[in-house]
Amino acid sequence: DTGVSQNPRHKITKRGQNVTFRCDPISEHNRLYWYRQTLGQGPEFLTYFQNEAQLEKSRLLSDRFSAERPKGSFSTLEIQRTEQGDSAMYLCASSQTGGDSPLHFGNGTRLTVT
Amino acid sequence: AQSVTQPDIHITVSEGASLELRCNYSYGATPYLFWYVQSPGQGLQLLLKYFSGDTLVQGIKGFEAEFKRSQSSFNLRKPSVHWSDAAEYFCAVGVRAGNNRKLIWGLGTSLAVNP
Repeated sequence: DTGVSQNPRHKITKRGQNVTFRCDPISEHNRLYWYRQTLGQGPEFLTYFQNEAQLEKSRLLSDRFSAERPKGSFSTLEIQRTEQGDSAMYLCASSQTGGDSPLHFGNGTRLTVT
Repeated sequence: AQSVTQPDIHITVSEGASLELRCNYSYGATPYLFWYVQSPGQGLQLLLKYFSGDTLVQGIKGFEAEFKRSQSSFNLRKPSVHWSDAAEYFCAVGVRAGNNRKLIWGLGTSLAVNP
């Protein structure tokens, strides 16, 4: 168990560019979550998957954001036409199925949009 | 409405002193309760959780928390703080959402430790 892995750790991009982040969850975890966190705030829920199915998307997730988990293992989060307001830490977490299973977080991807 | 309040935005303690971080929640049913810690530039690490049973739960790194239903609180404590405990601490409540539980997060408490 190597924990949840996120790549890249940091991404700097210019406004209007597209970016994609990757998350590799703990191998036996079927649930995978994406959160966004800005300075001084707690994590904000974006979306979650159970296996390859995307079961919930937050209203925060505009149509510029898309997430996939094609084989129920790793996941990608893409942001199209980035805006400065997208600058944040993007956190991925995974858990086993079951409402009482705690989330295990990766170290996040820090996005800076200039 | 479901919410989590961490009343203290920032706390400073001296190394070796005791620590208590407050967390209050608003939720109509029995909550699942969590404390996570986040070091600068890192993800969140689970310190401890409460689902049922003994209301005093032990976690990693010498932390403990006590669930008090009458006060809707789940305060985090440590008897003697170490310099390495300086970090951001988040309380979260798991509320039922269909077949899943959704986490409601507090805004965090930033802990500084003086040598």
